[in-house]
Amino acid sequence: QSVLTQPPSASGTPGQRVTISCSGSSSNIGSNTVSWYQQLPGTAPKLLIYTNTQRPSGVPDRFSGSRSGTSASLAISGLQSEDEADYYCAAWDDSLNGLVFGGGTKLTVL
Amino acid sequence: QVQLQESGPGLVKPSETLSLTCTVSGGSVSGDSYFWSWIRQPPGKGLEWIGYIYYSGSTNYNPSLKSRVTISVDTSKNQFSLKLSSVTAADTAVYYCARAHIAGATTFFDYWGQGTLVTVSS
Repeated sequence: QSVLTQPPSASGTPGQRVTISCSGSSSNIGSNTVSWYQQLPGTAPKLLIYTNTQRPSGVPDRFSGSRSGTSASLAISGLQSEDEADYYCAAWDDSLNGLVFGGGTKLTVL
Repeated sequence: QVQLQESGPGLVKPSETLSLTCTVSGGSVSGDSYFWSWIRQPPGKGLEWIGYIYYSGSTNYNPSLKSRVTISVDTSKNQFSLKLSSVTAADTAVYYCARAHIAGATTFFDYWGQGTLVTVSS
């Protein structure tokens, strides 16, 4: 059971907009920033979003992040087949004094 | 471009100590503001943060693993290492090393190694 809760799966058709949620608590998302990672099959995770909304250089602006209270979301617009991957949220947890990840969401492009 | 590469045995016997090294190129482990981390992923499962070290030697470990984990840094070799003692089959995972930015309320990992699979089996 992960400290941060993500839906196990999500899906969409090419061109569609999909959103992946990440629910936490006051000790993690409520007081620390969220990062998101994309893990393509058989590869290492890649930083997608940091500090809730910031995109590293090279990440398309189709990817966007937001945070409200103790929840965060990753939105992917103009869905493409190459977006099919696992997505993880992460945040520091003050109560646990450690970094926690969500359980991951497997995105399928139909 | 910063690159990280994990190395170490791919097979460890139960009750023994898992040892991995991460070699950093294109950047220095002695750089300010960066922390050097280990993260693992059991087959078919999610990510678990193991811990991190600063070049000064300051560490922070996942409380669930703290009693068995040691992370060290060798600035002369631009490497950092992981030791996990008393391993069981539950420690079988792909182990990643990563560079972390930690400042105030912000923590994120911007560079990752390719990962190395460690299997615990007799």
